[in-house]
Amino acid sequence: GEDVEQSLFLSVREGDSSVINCTYTDSSSTYLYWYKQEPGAGLQLLTYIFSNMDMKQDQRLTVLLNKKDKHLSLRIADTQTGDSAIYFCAESTGKLIFGQGTELSVKP
Amino acid sequence: DADVTQTPRNRITKTGKRIMLECSQTKGHDRMYWYRQDPGLGLRLIYYSFDVKDINKGEISDGYSVSRQAQAKFSLSLESAIPNQTALYFCATSDPRQGWTGELFFGEGSRLTVL
Repeated sequence: GEDVEQSLFLSVREGDSSVINCTYTDSSSTYLYWYKQEPGAGLQLLTYIFSNMDMKQDQRLTVLLNKKDKHLSLRIADTQTGDSAIYFCAESTGKLIFGQGTELSVKP
Repeated sequence: DADVTQTPRNRITKTGKRIMLECSQTKGHDRMYWYRQDPGLGLRLIYYSFDVKDINKGEISDGYSVSRQAQAKFSLSLESAIPNQTALYFCATSDPRQGWTGELFFGEGSRLTVL
């Protein structure tokens, strides 16, 4: 069945890089996503990657996709306190299946 | 104003009561979804609807029902609420037109507490 796994917590210092990892099970996923949830708010799409790509870069964000290992990662360069949030990985198989979410805490 | 609006935002109720959570959207999207969020479990899909005449069960539909009253409205009902339905509930929409990437647009959530 479809399953998406993430670690629950990550703590970094301001200015460091953050790397959030995700594994998924369905190799037929067309797109893979990273959503961000700020406190008290709904989820918003942060970035996505098409399944035939290995990497996507968007300003401070780098997404790496390893299809062989079914592993997706999100790197945030120069992490700021405003990046503190819960980050969800998701795969698309017609409908979106979300991971548990990784709570990123950025310490000054 | 939010494109996807959920009401109520917060609700406390008692075991056995009937509860309805409502969602309305101004995005003109055909597809609508209800998810629940629990700490450590992420988002789980309860029901989804690809158009007004289409209703589908998600991963965890037991104890819930939905109604798609119009393209813009999708409501979630708990016929007899129980404490383990205490959660944060999200409505979302999507639009599968050409070039669609599968992005979902979320409401701000409805926090339900069942005592």
